[in-house]
Amino acid sequence: DIQMTQSPSSLSASVGDRVTITCRASQSIYIYLNWYQQKPGKAPNLLIYGASNLRSGVPSRFSGSGSGTDFTLTVNSLQPEDFATYYCQQSHSVSWTFGQGTKVEIK
Amino acid sequence: QVQLQESGPGLVKPSQTLSLTCTVSGGSITSGNYYWSWIRQSAGKGLEWIGRMSPSGTTKYNPSLQSRVTISLDASKNQFSLRLSSVTAADTAVYYCAREYTYTYNWFDFWGQGTLVTVSS
Repeated sequence: DIQMTQSPSSLSASVGDRVTITCRASQSIYIYLNWYQQKPGKAPNLLIYGASNLRSGVPSRFSGSGSGTDFTLTVNSLQPEDFATYYCQQSHSVSWTFGQGTKVEIK
Repeated sequence: QVQLQESGPGLVKPSQTLSLTCTVSGGSITSGNYYWSWIRQSAGKGLEWIGRMSPSGTTKYNPSLQSRVTISLDASKNQFSLRLSSVTAADTAVYYCAREYTYTYNWFDFWGQGTLVTVSS
């Protein structure tokens, strides 16, 4: 299986901050990388697919970049509703695997 | 809008078989570029993909669970199901069903709300 490692595991930020989350794959996954947001008690929600493609309806303050083994999710101007846990997921090789998550908390 | 809903027992005894069903509404499970997946989430292992089934009946399972997992599809009811045998406390988790879109890329675009399954005697 391809291992996905996110950093940091958690971070504290304020409304209006720019936040960056990193995801590293154990081997090249080209651009087969998705990002999800999960709020407590809810299922994960797709934000970005193919490393940098924003899902329809997702605010433009979310963006993704990267290729190969290193990827980044950036949230510009953090909003109150963005405090959540974020997961990356590789879609290069079945069986699909997820990162361990990054919890974004209010400072 | 596609909606998925998990159903099944919330408590399963060790060594028994966990059985869950996902009912899909707002779209047919036999049409389109989709697979139908099960994913679980536990405190210890985070999000873990269990397996998927295509509308044609092709399955793919997580190798770590393959010997214990069966996913099946009932087109007449627009449902798909999960069976996980010989469960232990390590199988305690929130279980999600999800639709996997497959084209140039694959992603999970719709999820059920999740159902907590506890393995305990």
